[in-house]
Amino acid sequence: EADIYQTPRYLVIGTGKKITLECSQTMGHDKMYWYQQDPGMELHLIHYSYGVNSTEKGDLSSESTVSRIRTEHFPLTLESARPSHTSQYLCASSPQGENIQYFGAGTRLSVL
Amino acid sequence: AQKITQTQPGMFVQEKEAVTLDCTYDTSDQSYGLFWYKQPSSGEMIFLIYQGSYDEQNATEGRYSLNFQKARKSANLVISASQLGDSAMYFCAMRLSGGYNKLIFGAGTRLAVHP
Repeated sequence: EADIYQTPRYLVIGTGKKITLECSQTMGHDKMYWYQQDPGMELHLIHYSYGVNSTEKGDLSSESTVSRIRTEHFPLTLESARPSHTSQYLCASSPQGENIQYFGAGTRLSVL
Repeated sequence: AQKITQTQPGMFVQEKEAVTLDCTYDTSDQSYGLFWYKQPSSGEMIFLIYQGSYDEQNATEGRYSLNFQKARKSANLVISASQLGDSAMYFCAMRLSGGYNKLIFGAGTRLAVHP
């Protein structure tokens, strides 16, 4: 089982602000993921990474960007937040040779 | 196209009784994996159980079991002896082909356990 930390848990911010959602894991997992989830709906993959300096876009188009400079850190950035970005963002990681993804507690973002 | 379908938006069960949450999937891959996650109101996703497509026996984890019927492409979750703490959203997911362990999720089923 992994320890995945997401900060902040809740964020209320005004339109046009730049924000970074943090995600860190302590288990050295090589694969990491970002999902977007509207209330009561399914999760959609927006970004993933299979190692340092590798990032790929997921199945749902997103205006956010990610980086993977260190194995344990996978931050997500929105350059200019808009109300349409209001959602929950969940980070997950998966170790090499294992199928299971372990999730963080999520960040609930509200853009006013 | 690969797809997960959960047809039960909401389910109710009496405490201590068993409940089955339905999940059907669509894929043309021979090798795939199926997962169930629990999401309490606090928002985190908790892994419950995993079934590989080549596993001959149904997966079990404590009170959770996965009723895997490959020919019907179904992977229903059975929770035995329901507890009040089981009240949550439950999501069925499938690992996509192409590596990287990417998952697609169903729309979820909200389970309410009544005392």
